[in-house]
Amino acid sequence: GEDVEQSLFLSVREGDSSVINCTYTDSSSTYLYWYKQEPGAGLQLLTYIFSNMDMKQDQRLTVLLNKKDKHLSLRIADTQTGDSAIYFCAETLGDYKLSFGAGTTVTVRA
Amino acid sequence: EPEVTQTPSHQVTQMGQEVILRCVPISNHLYFYWYRQILGQKVEFLVSFYNNEISEKSEIFDDQFSVERPDGSNFTLKIRSTKLEDSAMYFCASNSGGGGNQPQHFGDGTRLSIL
Repeated sequence: GEDVEQSLFLSVREGDSSVINCTYTDSSSTYLYWYKQEPGAGLQLLTYIFSNMDMKQDQRLTVLLNKKDKHLSLRIADTQTGDSAIYFCAETLGDYKLSFGAGTTVTVRA
Repeated sequence: EPEVTQTPSHQVTQMGQEVILRCVPISNHLYFYWYRQILGQKVEFLVSFYNNEISEKSEIFDDQFSVERPDGSNFTLKIRSTKLEDSAMYFCASNSGGGGNQPQHFGDGTRLSIL
């Protein structure tokens, strides 16, 4: 496909793990990113992974990269109410621009 | 932690008027970007800027749009004659290296409403 694709919604119980999936388009993308957007706020860089890595862990966040399938995932362990937000996957296209997915709205329920 | 700042947070403008959105990138960054997000849609790339010139622009960035770095700290986006469809959230971003070499850091955005 021509677009970065993500599922639109995810509902998760507090304390459980969340897994957000993304399919990107360009196998030559050097870095892949996850951004978080809370209501009315900007885009907060959560984490990113270099394309020669398979996995990156940063506290409660784990990023998995499958280059063969152009698949990226973000796992949030022990999901908290403060994790409720929209999560955007983004890839680098060419030298400068980021191409974003439509965002996954994560709702954490008690 | 240094951050990208944008002003104003919300701008309301009559259709046909000019608008200037302002950004102060992170001080040691060299590459600057504008993106926009129409309500309910994905974030779209508009333009990238390096060494006082545009390095890449999208189809959205037509002759009505221009960018400028008027001094050592500000980076502006001007829309010359606004249209209803320009209503969106506009995000400024910056990084220290082009493309994917360094992550882009975003401001909180300016919500532009065209009446």
